Amino acid sequence: QVQLVQSGAEVKKPGASVKVSCKASGYTFTSYGISWVRQAPGQGLEWMGWISAYNGNTNYAQKLQGRVTMTTDTSTSTAYMELRSLRSDDTAVYYCARDLEPRGAARFDPWGQGTLVTVSS
Amino acid sequence: NFMLTQPHSVSESPGKTVTISCTGSSGSIASNYVQWYQQRPGSAPTTVIYEDNQRPSGVPDRFSGSIDSSSNSASLTISGLKTEDEADYYCQSYDSSNRVFGGGTKLTVL
Repeated sequence: QVQLVQSGAEVKKPGASVKVSCKASGYTFTSYGISWVRQAPGQGLEWMGWISAYNGNTNYAQKLQGRVTMTTDTSTSTAYMELRSLRSDDTAVYYCARDLEPRGAARFDPWGQGTLVTVSS
Repeated sequence: NFMLTQPHSVSESPGKTVTISCTGSSGSIASNYVQWYQQRPGSAPTTVIYEDNQRPSGVPDRFSGSIDSSSNSASLTISGLKTEDEADYYCQSYDSSNRVFGGGTKLTVL
């Protein structure tokens, strides 16, 4: 079955960087993209950006431009999301999700289990 | 920037029908597909409706989606409410290459 498995929880200090991984299985990795979505405690879902696993093209949310980098390793079917210059309001659960564009509508299915990133001094 | 607006919360009794709206800020919501995700506490979201009105396998036919161009809105309707339907629901669409979520609606089944 199609599955995305993310790396474990992280605790970081303000100003540091975090890199979250997302390993895909059960489908041809390069046929779809990966989107990253985050959810601050008690808040809604926020789309962070998208990467094509086919050619590495990216599209980042304007709010995070300059602080976020998304990459893929096709040899291991793994996507990565790095966020730099962390602030307390970056504390959130970070999800990866298979993004069905361009083979379908820009939608997410399935999602990873989520990775809690806590930013605290 | 394109935005989607949902009611913060709705509540209804078991067995009844509830409709959650998702209104587009500009343009035509019918121009791009709308999806609906269910999120239970402590879990990742899952799709209950995709491409406006399509139901994934395993989602009961009590869930349905529609588009109303006159009000520039999408709707998720859940009939025959069950206590297990209590969750947060998010609509999602896209504009240019950007994916957009609504703010989410907390459904209480009481």
